Amino acid sequence: GAVVSQHPSRVICKSGTSVKIECRSLDFQATTMFWYRQFPKQSLMLMATSNEGSKATYEQGVEKDKFLINHASLTLSTLTVTSAHPEDSSFYICSAPSTGSTEAFFGQGTRLTVV
Amino acid sequence: AQSVSQHNHHVILSEAASLELGCNYSYGGTVNLFWYVQYPGQHLQLLLKYFSGDPLVKGIKGFEAEFIKSKFSFNLRKPSVQWSDTAEYFCAVLGGSYIPTFGRGTSLIVHP
Repeated sequence: GAVVSQHPSRVICKSGTSVKIECRSLDFQATTMFWYRQFPKQSLMLMATSNEGSKATYEQGVEKDKFLINHASLTLSTLTVTSAHPEDSSFYICSAPSTGSTEAFFGQGTRLTVV
Repeated sequence: AQSVSQHNHHVILSEAASLELGCNYSYGGTVNLFWYVQYPGQHLQLLLKYFSGDPLVKGIKGFEAEFIKSKFSFNLRKPSVQWSDTAEYFCAVLGGSYIPTFGRGTSLIVHP
């Protein structure tokens, strides 16, 4: 089946630094990818939709200047958490829809801890 | 807009007990429905999915779910749970927006 690879799986960074998370579709092309955030004991909340070759679409309440999304190719989307703060600590998950968008495939997730 | 509601937030069972987790969605059109499991410290894994056809779908690890269109429900069931089923379970719907929407999740704890 289709595979989405997310890297890194865990990252610890100092407050004020930036962190880049990569999401790759390994055996299919994804013109669209979704970025979710999951707080402990809570559901996945959609942050933004990444669009290849154009600007990302952010959900209400998500700071686009803080969470920079780049979808430079049909197999790679990146999420950069800029000037990270402890409250940005969370589990970030990317997802790419299948051809025909009948289902979505998820990356392994990235556990971000900002100290 | 589509939405998903999971009524059981926390479920505690003993091994061999039967499980049913509720999931209701709201969306007027055709939907694809999913159940995902997230074991402690791990990523999401697909348990089962419904696109069309037989409303009773069977997934991995002995799980099954029944799609009842009239009730907008897609409840997850397992006849006999095991300690290893302890995890977080998420129901998700994919409707017209083609963006998966997740329910809040149900935390299942199975005592040995």
